[in-house]
Amino acid sequence: DAKTTQPNSMESNEEEPVHLPCNHSTISGTDYIHWYRQLPSQGPEYVIHGLTSNVNNRMASLAIAEDRKSSTLILHRATLRDAAVYYCMNLKAAGNKLTFGGGTRVLVKP
Amino acid sequence: DAGVIQSPRHEVTEMGQEVTLRCKPISGHNSLFWYRQTMMRGLELLIYFNNNVPIDDSGMPEDRFSAKMPNASFSTLKIQPSEPRDSAVYFCASSLWGARAEAFFGQGTRLTVV
Repeated sequence: DAKTTQPNSMESNEEEPVHLPCNHSTISGTDYIHWYRQLPSQGPEYVIHGLTSNVNNRMASLAIAEDRKSSTLILHRATLRDAAVYYCMNLKAAGNKLTFGGGTRVLVKP
Repeated sequence: DAGVIQSPRHEVTEMGQEVTLRCKPISGHNSLFWYRQTMMRGLELLIYFNNNVPIDDSGMPEDRFSAKMPNASFSTLKIQPSEPRDSAVYFCASSLWGARAEAFFGQGTRLTVV
């Protein structure tokens, strides 16, 4: 399975942007990049996904490097409710085997 | 839709007993996933199905674990016999097939084996 690398934790102040990096060193040309997050005591929830172009939705933005070896999830204005563990992963185009690594624990300070 | 529904939410059982966890996926979804989460090992994919057929069960820890999907609206994960090290939160998720699909997770079943 393709492996991703993320920092263990990050801190942010409320109302400030958060940039979460992910290295996709073994990504192949047709793999999709997905991000999920897990709020305390809840199941994971989908955040965003992309292939090559940057993507925006109501939750976040996803910036994908030109060589696709890295991506950055951007929370534009962090709120206390954004405190969670954020996971990035690669999904093979031919399937949807969703495997989670260690993720980045985001702490948002008021 | 009510989302992915798991039952029970909490289960406490004695070592050696059989445990059955249940999952109802979102209607229309054709992929279903079972995960286990512990502090030590994080979120582990145990098995996943497509169109009710197991596609990859390489994450199932041992023969004590089995999973079935008799139809598109129901799946079970069974542990027999249960052991204390099986204590964890078990999540079920469903999605449409394909790498662009968003997966939806249930609230999980917290299993404690004493």
